[in-house]
Amino acid sequence: AQSVTQLGSHVSVSEGALVLLRCNYSSSVPPYLFWYVQYPNQGLQLLLKYTSAATLVKGINGFEAEFKKSETSFHLTKPSAHMSDAAEYFCAVSTTNTDKLIFGTGTRLQVFP
Amino acid sequence: NAGVTQTPKFQVLKTGQSMTLQCAQDMNHNSMYWYRQDPGMGLRLIYYSASEGTTDKGEVPNGYNVSRLNKREFSLRLESAAPSQTSVYFCASSDQGTYGYTFGSGTRLTVV
Repeated sequence: AQSVTQLGSHVSVSEGALVLLRCNYSSSVPPYLFWYVQYPNQGLQLLLKYTSAATLVKGINGFEAEFKKSETSFHLTKPSAHMSDAAEYFCAVSTTNTDKLIFGTGTRLQVFP
Repeated sequence: NAGVTQTPKFQVLKTGQSMTLQCAQDMNHNSMYWYRQDPGMGLRLIYYSASEGTTDKGEVPNGYNVSRLNKREFSLRLESAAPSQTSVYFCASSDQGTYGYTFGSGTRLTVV
C-alpha cells in the first residue's frame, strides 16, 4: 500500500523567503508523486508531478520538487515566497498498479509581508 | 471552459434527508472519483469508477452510493444524511491516474 506523510500542518514564511514543504512517501513499487495547491474555497490544482523521468521537477508559479529515492522524499520548494502563494498544499502518490491517488493531510502555507 | 463541473456548490440538509451530488466532465476521461475533504485529514477517497459501467469502494464508502451514468457523469448519493457527512466533496477525473487528476470546485455540504 502507498501513503504520504506531510510534515508540518502549518508553515509560515516572510515574503521573499524560501518556501520548503516536506513530503515523505511509502510505496512498495516505484511511485508517481504529485503536489497540488488549493486556494481558499476552490478545488485542487496540479502544481507538478514526478512520473519517473527527471528527478528534479519544475511546476507552475516557480515551484519545484526533487524526488529522492534514498530518502523517500518529494519536498516542494520555491526560492522566494509571494503573498499569492498562501494556500494549502497537498502531496499525493499513485503507482503503475493503481489509478487511485493517495493524499497527505496537507500543509497550510502562510506568507507574511 | 473544459473541466469538471459539480452541482450544487452549497447544500444544507437535515439529518435523515437524502440528496445526490452531481459531477460531469467534458475531457473524455475514463476514470472518475469522489473524495471528501475534512480539516486535518486531507482528501479521502469515497468511491471511484475506472470506466463507464464500473464502480469500486474507496477508503470511506459507508453511507454513500454512486452511479456512473455514462462516460461523462458520476453521481454521489447520500441516502440518509448524518452530521458526520458534513464535509467538502470533490469530484475528479483522469485519463490515466498516474498523470494526475482534474478536480471540480467542490460541494460544501452541511448536515444539521
